[in-house]
Amino acid sequence: QSVLTQPPSVSGAPGQRVTISCTGTSSNIGAGYDVHWYQHVPGTAPKLLIHGNFNRRSGVPDRISGSKSVTSASLDINNLQAEDEADYYCQSYDTGLSGGVIFGGGTKVTVL
Amino acid sequence: HLVESGGGVVRPGGSLRLSCVASGFTFGDYGMSWVRHVPGKGLQWVSGINWNGNLIEYIDSVKGRFTISRDNAKNSLFLEMHNLRAEDTALYRCAKSNYDTESTPTYGMDVWGPGTTVNVS
Repeated sequence: QSVLTQPPSVSGAPGQRVTISCTGTSSNIGAGYDVHWYQHVPGTAPKLLIHGNFNRRSGVPDRISGSKSVTSASLDINNLQAEDEADYYCQSYDTGLSGGVIFGGGTKVTVL
Repeated sequence: HLVESGGGVVRPGGSLRLSCVASGFTFGDYGMSWVRHVPGKGLQWVSGINWNGNLIEYIDSVKGRFTISRDNAKNSLFLEMHNLRAEDTALYRCAKSNYDTESTPTYGMDVWGPGTTVNVS
């Protein structure tokens, strides 16, 4: 079981908006550690989309955005497109018993 | 680019040495990590090493069994794995820290290799 909790799946029609949540605790996100987001298309290498909670990497469309609150973070994908179908992972750092670099369990985004 | 090698099929208790060769960036300027992926179980960060090899971190389940190292002159990262267990079965990828030199990726990991498969059975 991952220290960071993500919904197993979300779906939306083309053009719609989906939001992926990443819920942590006071020993990771709540302790002030940044959240980073990756897109993983099976069979390829993961791609860093967002670093430092909301900083979009060069080449990532601005319809994809990240945000962070006290103990959670979110990835928003607006104007959903077929190419967005993939697995998405959040990543942070934890100082608790599961200390170190941690990933969420991943969320499968399906474009209907 | 990053390219891994060294994976294979090994019996429980066996050993493997993974390698990762980097190109296209100044390898010695960045921290590096090994991340494994078990299909259906997501990503798991395994180990990280800072730019000069003086700072190293591991997840608890591999401490004492795995050793990460690097050779900046050869643009190479290594993961020596001993006493392998069935639960170590995964696709292992090396990944470059985004921006920083540390053993843990403060700003995420921006370059990943395609991976090499380790099957312990």
